[in-house]
Amino acid sequence: DAKTTQPTSMDCAEGRAANLPCNHSTISGNEYVYWYRQIHSQGPQYIIHGLKNNETNEMASLIITEDRKSSTLILPHATLRDTAVYYCIVLGGTSYGKLTFGQGTILTVHP
Amino acid sequence: EAQVTQNPRYLITVTGKKLTVTCSQNMNHEYMSWYRQDPGLGLRQIYYSMNVEVTDKGDVPEGYKVSRKEKRNFPLILESPSPNQTSLYFCASSYKTSGRAGELFFGEGSRLTVL
Repeated sequence: DAKTTQPTSMDCAEGRAANLPCNHSTISGNEYVYWYRQIHSQGPQYIIHGLKNNETNEMASLIITEDRKSSTLILPHATLRDTAVYYCIVLGGTSYGKLTFGQGTILTVHP
Repeated sequence: EAQVTQNPRYLITVTGKKLTVTCSQNMNHEYMSWYRQDPGLGLRQIYYSMNVEVTDKGDVPEGYKVSRKEKRNFPLILESPSPNQTSLYFCASSYKTSGRAGELFFGEGSRLTVL
C-alpha cells in the first residue's frame, strides 16, 4: 500500500492561505488521495479527496501534481479554528482496506 | 443523522478483565475499521472489515479481536487487557474503499485506561 510523507508541523497566519504538502511517490494509478483533519482528540473529519485532477470544495482545495507523486492541501483563508492535525492518506486499488495514516502535520494558525 | 457511535466513551478497567468496545453505524456502510491513537504515534489501524463476516488485521492487531456478524456493528474485544492497551480508540466506516466512495466517517472516540 502506498505510504505518505508529511512535514511534522507548520505555522500559518490567520487570514493567509495554508499550504500543506504530502508526498505519495508510490501511489498507483487507481488510488485516491484523501485528506482528513483532527481537532484535539475528536474523531478525524473528512476534508477532500482526488484522483488526478485538482479539486475544490467549501472547505479546501486539493492540488495533485501531474505525476501524482505529491499533493498540496490549500486552506485559502486560514482561521484559528483550522488549527489541527492534518492527515494525507492514499486509498483504493490494492491498498484495499488496510490504511496507514502516519503522524500527519500539526498546523498552528496564529492570530 | 448519519453517524458512527462508539460505547463506552470513557472506561477505566483493570488488567485481565475482558471488555468490549462497541461500534455501530447507521449508513449501511460495507467497510468498518478500528484505530488506536497514542501520543507521537498517530492513528494506527488495528483491524478492518470489508463486509459482513470478512475481517482482516491492520498494523497493530495483537491483543485484540473483532467480529462482523451484522453490517452495522463492529465490536472491538480485548480478551485480557494490559496497560499497554491504554489508548484512545476510534471506529470508522465508509461505503466502499474503492476510492471514489472511500470517505471515512469516524466515531467520537473511546478513551480506555487499563490499570
